[in-house]
Order: sequence, then C-alpha cells, then structure tokens
Amino acid sequence: AQSVTQLGSHVSVSEGALVLLRCNYSSSVPPYLFWYVQYPNQGLQLLLKYTSAATLVKGINGFEAEFKKSETSFHLTKPSAHMSDAAEYFCAVRSMNTGTASKLTFGTGTRLQVTL
Amino acid sequence: DSGVTQTPKHLITATGQRVTLRCSPRSGDLSVYWYQQSLDQGLQFLIQYYNGEERAKGNILERFSAQQFPDLHSELNLSSLELGDSALYFCASSVGQPNSPLHFGNGTRLTVT
Repeated sequence: AQSVTQLGSHVSVSEGALVLLRCNYSSSVPPYLFWYVQYPNQGLQLLLKYTSAATLVKGINGFEAEFKKSETSFHLTKPSAHMSDAAEYFCAVRSMNTGTASKLTFGTGTRLQVTL
Repeated sequence: DSGVTQTPKHLITATGQRVTLRCSPRSGDLSVYWYQQSLDQGLQFLIQYYNGEERAKGNILERFSAQQFPDLHSELNLSSLELGDSALYFCASSVGQPNSPLHFGNGTRLTVT
C-alpha cells in the first residue's frame, strides 16, 4: 500500500520568500505523485503531477516539485510567495502498476500562510 | 472550473435522515471517485466507479451507498445520518488512465443537526 507524509501541518512565509512544502512517499512500486491546492470553500485543484517523464516537474502558478527516489520525496517549491498562494496544499500518491486510474491517497495537508 | 459538477452545494438535515448527493463528471471521463473531507479524518476515499461498475471501495460505511448511471453521472446516498457524518463530500473524475489526475468538484457540505 502506498502513502504520503506531509511534514508540517502549518507553514508561514513572508511575501516574496521561498515556499517549501514537504512530502515523502512510501510505495513498494514506482509511484505517480500529485500536488493539489485547496482554497477556502473550493474543491482541490491540480498543481502538478509526476508520471516518470522528468524528475523536475513544473506546475501552475509558478510552483514546481522534484522527484527524488533516493529520498522518497516530492517536495513542492515556489521561489517567491504571493499573498494569493495562501491555501491548503495536499500531496497525493498512486502506484504505477494499475490498469486503470485507481484512487489517489492523500496526505494530511499543509496550510500555507503568507504574511506581509 | 474543473468541469465536475456537484449538487447541492449545501445540505442541512437531521439525524436519522437520508440524503442523495449528485455528481456529473467532466465530459469524457469514465471514472468517478467519492471522497469525504473532515477536520479530524482529512481526505478519505469512499468509493470509485469506472464506466458504471464499482472499481474500488475505501472507508465507506454500510449506511452509505453509491452508483454510477449509464450517462456516467453518479450519486452518493447517505442514510441513517449521524452527527459525525457532517463533512464535505467531494466527487472527482478522471479519464481512467493510470497516470491521469483526478479533477474535483467543489463539494457538497453536509451538516447533520
């Protein structure tokens, strides 16, 4: 069974500072990995996905994530935080050896606060 | 806009009642997933359908049931409701390929009083 662990339920950064949200995965087979963002009173929106094509994945809104097999990590970064980035961020995993798209298993989420 | 439509947006009902949540997937998506989001449990997978057939079950209570219809829309039925069932219920859809992401609706907020 696969799982993800998000370190830090709350992260606070200043506007313009680097954003780093941590995600470590556990999977016995190569995984597909995803980052989602959830704004208040909305559903989850896909930020980016790793599907083995490239280890550095660029997503929307200036976010990117790097797949590191040796560290079983898929941390999300953004060089410069903006006030509009304040939201909850979820990392999710699915194993690759599925014939059709199986469920995603989500982490517990990290709430990002951006201060002036 | 993800293209996934969920109705109603809000639902307030009493304990012991039964409700039906509805989901229309994105055009072309064959797979539908239901998730429950609560403060204490986080995002919990309930059930998945693929082209009308149940594909996987998660932490879904026996009081809950779902189905996917020939036009691919799905309904989640919650019965004998308890206070603890109050949560956000999300529907998501995907094309069904192993590397395809899930696209989420905006959810139905259920409040049981």
